[in-house]
Amino acid sequence: AQSVAQPEDQVNVAEGNPLTVKCTYSVSGNPYLFWYVQYPNRGLQFLLKYITGDNLVKGSYGFEAEFNKSQTSFHLKKPSALVSDSALYFCAVRDTGGASKIIFGSGTRLSIRP
Amino acid sequence: GAVVSQHPSWVICKSGTSVKIECRSLDFQATTMFWYRQFPKQSLMLMATSNEGSKATYEQGVEKDKFLINHASLTLSTLTVTSAHPEDSSFYICSATAMNTEAFFGQGTRLTVV
Repeated sequence: AQSVAQPEDQVNVAEGNPLTVKCTYSVSGNPYLFWYVQYPNRGLQFLLKYITGDNLVKGSYGFEAEFNKSQTSFHLKKPSALVSDSALYFCAVRDTGGASKIIFGSGTRLSIRP
Repeated sequence: GAVVSQHPSWVICKSGTSVKIECRSLDFQATTMFWYRQFPKQSLMLMATSNEGSKATYEQGVEKDKFLINHASLTLSTLTVTSAHPEDSSFYICSATAMNTEAFFGQGTRLTVV
């Protein structure tokens, strides 16, 4: 069965510093990996995805993520955090092979202090 | 990115009544739609996966007679909460996806049963 783990409930970073939000996954086949962001009482906004190809993927708002197959990780990163990046971030995985379901991690609350 | 419209964005209903939530993909054909439930400060719990023209696949512990899902076309899926009770109050989110791509999310529906 597929699963996603986000080991940190909360990440606190000072504005201007780099940030990392961790994600590890488990799938039986090849993974499709995603990051989403959620603001209060809103749906989810897509940030970026890894399907195949370059392990470093770039997404919206300056975020990027690195796919590491050996460590089964897909950590979200940003070189310089903004206060407006404060939100709830979800990592998600989709197993390959047709219309398979998308499973979400528990979420990490990112808090950027001025 | 693609647009998914979810309606209504919030609804209050009396205990014992039924509520229907619609999810539409506006600019692409969604082969698969997912329905999630989110409790406060928690992750998204997958309730069911629906493919156009076939019966939905429910996750373990989700009552299919309680949460009726219909996916009659490639652009519309509906979730009906039947005989709603206060414990059904939650934030419901739909997402739509084409084959093996990322999912795009509706803005969510806040259901309150009184």
